[in-house]
Amino acid sequence: GQNIDQPTEMTATEGAIVQINCTYQTSGFNGLFWYQQHAGEAPTFLSYNVLDGLEEKGRFSSFLSRSKGYSYLLLKELQMKDSASYLCAVRDSTNAGKSTFGDGTTLTVKP
Amino acid sequence: DGGITQSPKYLFRKEGQNVTLSCEQNLNHDAMYWYRQDPGQGLRLIYYSQIVNDFQKGDIAEGYSVSREKKESFPLTVTSAQKNPTAFYLCASSQPGLAGAGEQFFGPGTRLTVL
Repeated sequence: GQNIDQPTEMTATEGAIVQINCTYQTSGFNGLFWYQQHAGEAPTFLSYNVLDGLEEKGRFSSFLSRSKGYSYLLLKELQMKDSASYLCAVRDSTNAGKSTFGDGTTLTVKP
Repeated sequence: DGGITQSPKYLFRKEGQNVTLSCEQNLNHDAMYWYRQDPGQGLRLIYYSQIVNDFQKGDIAEGYSVSREKKESFPLTVTSAQKNPTAFYLCASSQPGLAGAGEQFFGPGTRLTVL
Protein backbone atom coordinates (compact mmCIF):
# COMPACT_ATOMS: atom_id res chain seq x y z
CA GLY A 1 0.00 0.00 0.00
CA GLN A 2 0.87 3.66 0.06
CA ASN A 3 1.37 5.98 3.02
CA ILE A 4 1.64 9.70 2.36
CA ASP A 5 2.41 12.45 4.87
CA GLN A 6 2.21 16.20 4.47
CA PRO A 7 1.72 19.04 6.97
CA THR A 8 -1.88 19.86 7.79
CA GLU A 9 -1.64 23.64 7.64
CA MET A 10 0.80 26.36 6.62
CA THR A 11 0.63 30.14 6.63
CA ALA A 12 2.68 32.53 4.51
CA THR A 13 2.73 36.17 3.49
CA GLU A 14 1.78 37.57 0.12
CA GLY A 15 4.86 37.89 -2.11
CA ALA A 16 6.87 35.34 -0.12
CA ILE A 17 8.03 31.81 -0.97
CA VAL A 18 6.60 28.69 0.66
CA GLN A 19 7.68 25.05 0.48
CA ILE A 20 5.17 22.26 1.11
CA ASN A 21 6.75 18.89 1.85
CA CYS A 22 5.44 15.42 1.14
CA THR A 23 6.94 12.11 2.24
CA TYR A 24 5.72 8.76 1.05
CA GLN A 25 6.21 5.05 1.58
CA THR A 26 5.01 2.93 -1.29
CA SER A 27 4.89 -0.63 -2.53
CA GLY A 28 5.17 0.61 -6.11
CA PHE A 29 5.90 4.01 -7.66
CA ASN A 30 5.05 5.47 -11.04
CA GLY A 31 5.06 9.19 -10.47
CA LEU A 32 4.11 11.85 -7.95
CA PHE A 33 1.51 14.54 -8.57
CA TRP A 34 0.63 17.81 -6.90
CA TYR A 35 -2.92 19.12 -7.15
CA GLN A 36 -4.44 22.38 -5.96
CA GLN A 37 -7.93 22.40 -4.46
CA HIS A 38 -9.83 25.54 -3.53
CA ALA A 39 -12.49 25.14 -0.87
CA GLY A 40 -15.59 23.39 -2.22
CA GLU A 41 -14.08 22.84 -5.64
CA ALA A 42 -12.44 19.99 -7.53
CA PRO A 43 -8.67 19.46 -7.48
CA THR A 44 -6.71 20.74 -10.46
CA PHE A 45 -3.37 19.40 -11.67
CA LEU A 46 -0.26 21.41 -10.85
CA SER A 47 2.80 19.26 -11.44
CA TYR A 48 4.20 15.81 -12.04
CA ASN A 49 7.54 14.21 -11.19
CA VAL A 50 8.62 10.70 -12.10
CA LEU A 51 12.41 11.18 -12.17
CA ASP A 52 14.56 12.76 -9.47
CA GLY A 53 15.03 16.48 -9.70
CA LEU A 54 13.22 19.74 -10.03
CA GLU A 55 10.38 20.56 -12.44
CA GLU A 56 9.63 24.25 -12.85
CA LYS A 57 6.39 25.71 -14.12
CA GLY A 58 6.11 29.44 -13.73
CA ARG A 59 5.67 30.34 -10.06
CA PHE A 60 5.38 26.68 -9.11
CA SER A 61 8.18 24.10 -8.88
CA SER A 62 8.17 20.53 -7.67
CA PHE A 63 11.07 18.38 -6.54
CA LEU A 64 11.36 14.62 -6.18
CA SER A 65 13.87 12.30 -4.51
CA ARG A 66 12.79 8.70 -5.06
CA SER A 67 15.51 7.26 -2.82
CA LYS A 68 14.30 9.38 0.09
CA GLY A 69 10.58 9.06 -0.68
CA TYR A 70 10.35 12.83 -0.60
CA SER A 71 8.86 15.61 -2.66
CA TYR A 72 8.18 19.29 -2.20
CA LEU A 73 6.09 21.90 -3.93
CA LEU A 74 7.60 25.37 -4.02
CA LEU A 75 5.37 28.38 -4.56
CA LYS A 76 7.04 31.70 -5.32
CA GLU A 77 5.69 35.25 -5.31
CA LEU A 78 2.67 34.15 -3.34
CA GLN A 79 -0.67 35.68 -4.21
CA MET A 80 -3.88 35.72 -2.19
CA LYS A 81 -5.47 33.38 -4.73
CA ASP A 82 -2.88 30.73 -3.80
CA SER A 83 -4.78 30.15 -0.56
CA ALA A 84 -5.98 26.59 -1.09
CA SER A 85 -5.34 22.98 -0.16
CA TYR A 86 -2.39 21.28 -1.88
CA LEU A 87 -2.64 17.54 -2.36
CA CYS A 88 0.29 15.23 -2.88
CA ALA A 89 -0.59 12.01 -4.75
CA VAL A 90 1.52 8.97 -5.60
CA ARG A 91 0.60 6.82 -8.57
CA ASP A 92 1.17 3.11 -8.28
CA SER A 93 2.96 0.97 -10.80
CA THR A 94 -0.06 -0.97 -12.07
CA ASN A 95 -1.68 -0.25 -15.41
CA ALA A 96 -4.70 1.34 -13.74
CA GLY A 97 -2.88 4.58 -13.09
CA LYS A 98 -4.59 4.93 -9.76
CA SER A 99 -3.14 7.26 -7.18
CA THR A 100 -3.16 7.49 -3.41
CA PHE A 101 -3.69 10.99 -2.06
CA GLY A 102 -2.33 12.60 1.07
CA ASP A 103 -4.70 14.50 3.32
CA GLY A 104 -3.59 17.81 1.85
CA THR A 105 -1.89 20.92 3.20
CA THR A 106 -4.12 23.95 3.71
CA LEU A 107 -2.13 27.06 2.80
CA THR A 108 -3.32 30.44 3.99
CA VAL A 109 -1.74 33.48 2.34
CA LYS A 110 -1.97 36.66 4.42
CA PRO A 111 -1.53 40.25 3.19
CA ASP B 1 -15.20 21.89 -24.48
CA GLY B 2 -13.82 18.59 -23.18
CA GLY B 3 -14.30 17.80 -19.55
CA ILE B 4 -16.09 15.87 -16.85
CA THR B 5 -19.58 16.61 -15.63
CA GLN B 6 -21.21 15.48 -12.41
CA SER B 7 -24.76 16.09 -11.46
CA PRO B 8 -26.34 17.27 -9.32
CA LYS B 9 -24.00 19.58 -7.40
CA TYR B 10 -26.01 19.13 -4.20
CA LEU B 11 -28.10 16.07 -3.33
CA PHE B 12 -30.23 15.35 -0.31
CA ARG B 13 -31.57 11.92 0.53
CA LYS B 14 -33.30 10.24 3.42
CA GLU B 15 -31.49 7.58 5.38
CA GLY B 16 -32.07 4.10 3.95
CA GLN B 17 -32.49 5.23 0.34
CA ASN B 18 -30.12 4.31 -2.45
CA VAL B 19 -28.88 7.19 -4.59
CA THR B 20 -26.99 7.26 -7.89
CA LEU B 21 -24.45 9.95 -8.73
CA SER B 22 -23.73 10.55 -12.39
CA CYS B 23 -20.33 11.10 -14.00
CA GLU B 24 -19.82 11.74 -17.70
CA GLN B 25 -16.58 12.55 -19.55
CA ASN B 26 -15.91 13.50 -23.17
CA LEU B 27 -12.12 13.37 -22.91
CA ASN B 28 -12.00 9.89 -24.45
CA HIS B 29 -10.16 8.64 -21.37
CA ASP B 30 -10.03 4.91 -20.66
CA ALA B 31 -9.69 5.16 -16.86
CA MET B 32 -12.26 6.60 -14.50
CA TYR B 33 -12.31 6.92 -10.72
CA TRP B 34 -14.64 7.73 -7.84
CA TYR B 35 -13.35 9.38 -4.68
CA ARG B 36 -14.90 10.43 -1.43
CA GLN B 37 -13.65 13.47 0.49
CA ASP B 38 -14.58 14.25 4.07
CA PRO B 39 -13.89 17.65 5.71
CA GLY B 40 -10.19 18.30 6.22
CA GLN B 41 -9.18 15.07 4.57
CA GLY B 42 -7.74 13.96 1.30
CA LEU B 43 -9.37 11.85 -1.38
CA ARG B 44 -10.14 8.22 -0.70
CA LEU B 45 -10.64 5.87 -3.65
CA ILE B 46 -14.00 4.10 -3.81
CA TYR B 47 -13.91 2.35 -7.19
CA TYR B 48 -11.96 2.65 -10.40
CA SER B 49 -12.29 1.40 -13.94
CA GLN B 50 -9.50 0.90 -16.44
CA ILE B 51 -11.72 0.04 -19.38
CA VAL B 52 -15.36 -0.42 -20.37
CA ASN B 53 -17.15 -3.31 -18.63
CA ASP B 54 -14.41 -3.65 -16.04
CA PHE B 55 -13.97 -2.06 -12.60
CA GLN B 56 -12.17 -2.75 -9.33
CA LYS B 57 -12.74 -1.89 -5.70
CA GLY B 58 -10.69 0.86 -4.18
CA ASP B 59 -9.87 1.37 -0.53
CA ILE B 60 -13.40 2.08 0.72
CA ALA B 61 -15.79 0.21 -1.61
CA GLU B 62 -18.16 -1.16 1.04
CA GLY B 63 -21.67 0.23 0.62
CA TYR B 64 -21.04 1.47 -2.92
CA SER B 65 -21.54 0.02 -6.40
CA VAL B 66 -20.60 1.15 -9.91
CA SER B 67 -21.08 0.22 -13.55
CA ARG B 68 -19.07 1.00 -16.69
CA GLU B 69 -21.27 0.14 -19.65
CA LYS B 70 -20.00 3.03 -21.77
CA LYS B 71 -16.56 4.59 -22.01
CA GLU B 72 -17.85 8.05 -21.17
CA SER B 73 -20.04 7.14 -18.20
CA PHE B 74 -19.21 5.81 -14.71
CA PRO B 75 -22.19 6.17 -12.34
CA LEU B 76 -21.81 5.53 -8.60
CA THR B 77 -24.62 4.18 -6.43
CA VAL B 78 -24.49 4.90 -2.72
CA THR B 79 -26.49 2.13 -1.10
CA SER B 80 -28.26 2.01 2.25
CA ALA B 81 -25.43 -0.26 3.43
CA GLN B 82 -23.03 2.68 3.50
CA LYS B 83 -22.93 3.67 7.17
CA ASN B 84 -21.87 7.30 6.78
CA PRO B 85 -22.68 8.45 3.24
CA THR B 86 -22.70 12.22 3.80
CA ALA B 87 -19.60 13.48 1.95
CA PHE B 88 -18.23 15.26 -1.11
CA TYR B 89 -17.95 12.83 -4.03
CA LEU B 90 -15.50 13.45 -6.85
CA CYS B 91 -15.28 11.67 -10.18
CA ALA B 92 -12.08 11.74 -12.24
CA SER B 93 -10.67 10.35 -15.45
CA SER B 94 -7.22 9.88 -16.90
CA GLN B 95 -5.42 8.29 -19.79
CA PRO B 96 -2.66 6.14 -18.26
CA GLY B 97 0.22 4.95 -20.35
CA LEU B 98 0.70 8.12 -22.35
CA ALA B 99 4.13 9.72 -22.64
CA GLY B 100 2.88 12.67 -20.58
CA ALA B 101 1.89 12.83 -16.97
CA GLY B 102 -1.43 11.03 -17.33
CA GLU B 103 -2.83 13.26 -14.63
CA GLN B 104 -6.38 12.95 -13.41
CA PHE B 105 -9.06 15.41 -14.48
CA PHE B 106 -11.81 15.97 -11.96
CA GLY B 107 -15.47 16.77 -12.22
CA PRO B 108 -16.99 19.56 -10.07
CA GLY B 109 -18.16 17.09 -7.44
CA THR B 110 -21.48 16.19 -5.83
CA ARG B 111 -22.11 17.05 -2.20
CA LEU B 112 -24.39 14.35 -0.78
CA THR B 113 -26.23 14.91 2.47
CA VAL B 114 -28.20 12.08 4.01
CA LEU B 115 -30.84 13.28 6.44
